[in-house]
Amino acid sequence: GENVGLHLPTLSVQEGDNSIINCAYSNSASDYFIWYKQESGKGPQFIIDIRSNMDKRQGQRVTVLLNKTVKHLSLQIAATQPGDSAVYFCADPDGQNFVFGPGTRLSVLP
Amino acid sequence: GAGVSQSPRYKVAKRGQDVALRCDPISGHVSLFWYQQALGQGPEFLTYFQNEAQLDKSGLPSDRFFAERPEGSVSTLKIQRTQQEDSAVYLCASRPRELTAASSYNEQFFGPGTRLTVL
Repeated sequence: GENVGLHLPTLSVQEGDNSIINCAYSNSASDYFIWYKQESGKGPQFIIDIRSNMDKRQGQRVTVLLNKTVKHLSLQIAATQPGDSAVYFCADPDGQNFVFGPGTRLSVLP
Repeated sequence: GAGVSQSPRYKVAKRGQDVALRCDPISGHVSLFWYQQALGQGPEFLTYFQNEAQLDKSGLPSDRFFAERPEGSVSTLKIQRTQQEDSAVYLCASRPRELTAASSYNEQFFGPGTRLTVL
């Protein structure tokens, strides 16, 4: 299937700083993306989604940017908190199911 | 509880043993998915049910893997003659309705997973 991949496997940020997690995709026909957060010992949890007719969507402290020209999306977390420490996945629906990237581990430093 | 639950949370099996993993989806959810998540990787699709019908099992890695959802609610993933490469977290997810043009992917909810370790 098409690949949904992440640029960096780990990211460490200071508490209070902004975090940016990147994701590249190869299926130019993809029209919907989801970001998931997975804490240790838990299943993935929906954070935010974006459709291909948008280039930006904002939630509470999170913003997703979509650049269809270069097939890239990013998740921005404002004022990163210790509770944001987790693995973040972008996912691309492929028929009934999702294709997940390998994930980026975000560590928040005190 | 309102979420997806899975049991057991942890399972240790000796190579060659059979295991059965249970998923209790959110009540009334039509669609149910199983994913396999290897250490340090993203979840990978195994199989999909719409009610009791298994509509897609293309992700099952071998014929040792079998899933069922006989009454359209609880589902069981069975792995026969477990091998070390089967060690992973097995995630279940449910969605309130089947995939249609109007359905929302963001309505998919994941359970906490079962961590299977095969020795």
